Amino acid sequence: QVQLVESGGGLVKPGGSLRLSCAASGFTFSRYYMGWIRQAPGRGPEWVSHIGYDGTDIIKSDSLKGRFTISRDNAKNSLFLQMNSLRADDTAIYYCARARGSHAFDFWGQGTMVTVSS
Amino acid sequence: QSALTQPPSASGSPGQSVTISCTGTSSDVGGENYVSWYQHHPGKGPKLMIYEVSKRPSGIPDRFSGSKSGNTASLTVSGLQADDEAVYYCSSNAGGNNLVFGGGTKLTVL
Repeated sequence: QVQLVESGGGLVKPGGSLRLSCAASGFTFSRYYMGWIRQAPGRGPEWVSHIGYDGTDIIKSDSLKGRFTISRDNAKNSLFLQMNSLRADDTAIYYCARARGSHAFDFWGQGTMVTVSS
Repeated sequence: QSALTQPPSASGSPGQSVTISCTGTSSDVGGENYVSWYQHHPGKGPKLMIYEVSKRPSGIPDRFSGSKSGNTASLTVSGLQADDEAVYYCSSNAGGNNLVFGGGTKLTVL
């Protein structure tokens, strides 16, 4: 069965960096677009970024202004999110998800919590 | 504040039907046929229930149905069951490759 397991979250100071990972299993990873979605406490989800099959097609949310970078390693069935210049409003649960087309996500991980605080 | 507007709560008794709305604008819900709905139980990842307004992924019962009229999309859950109690989120393509979500509706099965 499809499994997505995120890791790498934690407590980081404002201005710091963090790299999230997502280990995928149960499907042919290289045949799917993948994405990251985050959800701040008490709010709805917010789309962060998509990445294409081989990593060359990358789509980002304009609101993140280039601070976040998505990447993937198909040999290791892994998805990554490099987050730089973190701010308090980046505090959220970060979900890795398999994309269905470019407009939906058909499988999600359980998420990893990122807290940005001094 | 989320881009798409959902009522914060909805409820129904077992066996009844309930409809959850998702209101956007002509730039997202009204102008696109890429509305999705997700079911979210606490501690789990969200689950895709409906995509492209009214299509169901494999394994999703036909008790769940989606529709759209103008700038408002709707999710109807028929024959309510206890396990349907969850938070439901809508999402829509918003022009280009931008994707927006609603703030969520907590469905309570009485």
